Amino acid sequence: DAGVTQSPTHLIKTRGQQVTLRCSPKSGHDTVSWYQQALGQGPQFIFQYYEEEERQRGNFPDRFSGHQFPNYSSELNVNALLLGDSALYLCASSARTGEQPQHFGDGTRLSIL
Amino acid sequence: GENVEQHPSTLSVQEGDSAVIKCTYSDSASNYFPWYKQELGKRPQLIIDIRSNVGEKKDQRIAVTLNKTAKHFSLHITETQPEDSAVYFCAASPGGSNYKLTFGKGTLLTVNP
Repeated sequence: DAGVTQSPTHLIKTRGQQVTLRCSPKSGHDTVSWYQQALGQGPQFIFQYYEEEERQRGNFPDRFSGHQFPNYSSELNVNALLLGDSALYLCASSARTGEQPQHFGDGTRLSIL
Repeated sequence: GENVEQHPSTLSVQEGDSAVIKCTYSDSASNYFPWYKQELGKRPQLIIDIRSNVGEKKDQRIAVTLNKTAKHFSLHITETQPEDSAVYFCAASPGGSNYKLTFGKGTLLTVNP
């Protein structure tokens, strides 16, 4: 049973570029949440997708957007990258039915030069 | 919004001793409190969670206690082992396990052999 998988593992971009990160949820999960984890900090909630719609959003600018596909996988897009966007981006999946807890992927390490 | 404070930021214990990590939260509506363990360069892993209708939960050497009146919850690890060394994060959610999680800043636990 595959857990949460994310791609790519690492990514290097320059300021002003845009990036797309991908996430496949754990089998049986239908909800995907994205978090940003800066070095030495706890994860910060970006947004959550369920039934292909953004259901909740944290305090992140509109440069951060996402999408969920019919197979429950999800993408996180960040436009006009800033140096401060350098972080580990974590995807977590869960299931609404039975209130399953959130399980995290290994994350994508994004570095902005 | 929710704010979660976590203490201490670092904790060093001898193998076999107990370790206690404490968290406080601000939103009285919070009803779900998970704990995650994150080893260096790895994904956060759920180790235990508790819901607001329960005061204490145990799983082998790990226990969590919740005091809703005081708005604080604690992680207790007994008979610590070197492999318990990691960063531990507490989190809180007002909407259950599928809602956005607000994390503390983490506790670096070092278990000395």
